[in-house]
Amino acid sequence: QVQLQESGPGLVRPSQTLSLTCTVSGDSISSNSYYWTWIRQSAGKGLEWIGRMYINGGTNYNPSLKSRVTISLDTSKNQFSLRLSSVTAADTALYYCASLQLERRAFDSWGQGTLVTVSS
Amino acid sequence: QSVLTQPPSASGTPGQRVTISCSGSSSNIGNNPVNWYQQLPGTAPKLLIYNNNQRPSGVPDRFSGSKSGTSASLAISGLQSEDEADYYCSAWDDSLNAWVFGGGTKLTVL
Repeated sequence: QVQLQESGPGLVRPSQTLSLTCTVSGDSISSNSYYWTWIRQSAGKGLEWIGRMYINGGTNYNPSLKSRVTISLDTSKNQFSLRLSSVTAADTALYYCASLQLERRAFDSWGQGTLVTVSS
Repeated sequence: QSVLTQPPSASGTPGQRVTISCSGSSSNIGNNPVNWYQQLPGTAPKLLIYNNNQRPSGVPDRFSGSKSGTSASLAISGLQSEDEADYYCSAWDDSLNAWVFGGGTKLTVL
């Protein structure tokens, strides 16, 4: 089972771009067994899927965020990243990276989460 | 408003059996397997049930899942205090081309 760890700024100014990185250990990010995924959770609220990327470069994004989201892979560092542009206070949340295991079709490993606050 | 509908809260006493429902539509639960996640206070969600009724290794058999049509259920038997957590259902939605979640159910062990 893979292990994941998020990193990035905890504070982002409104209208700027949120950038987070997820470091993967325990397997290669080039594995064809996983989709690499970002999920967020606003304070006291439920889970919201942001998007996913496969090693072949294929991506899917939440329709409500699609125009602002980019997920990318860095195979040399065994990392994947999230960029969310034009952020507002509504983007303040706990951001998780997760692996979607293809055989199980489920998010079987999660990072511990990183809190990102959007504020001036 | 979440695509999948769960009751916001549930409760039971130690040893009791409780069930949590998850309602969707033909584009998600009706056509795709359902997964359940447990989120203990202050921690990341953890996969509890996948493919409607399969348990990852390490998950006690007190937890079980089922699906019928466009609805799914999570059952917890022999309720224990450490089961107090938030529980989320999830499925792929063919119309949205996105993973969707329920709003979560907060389980209280009385």
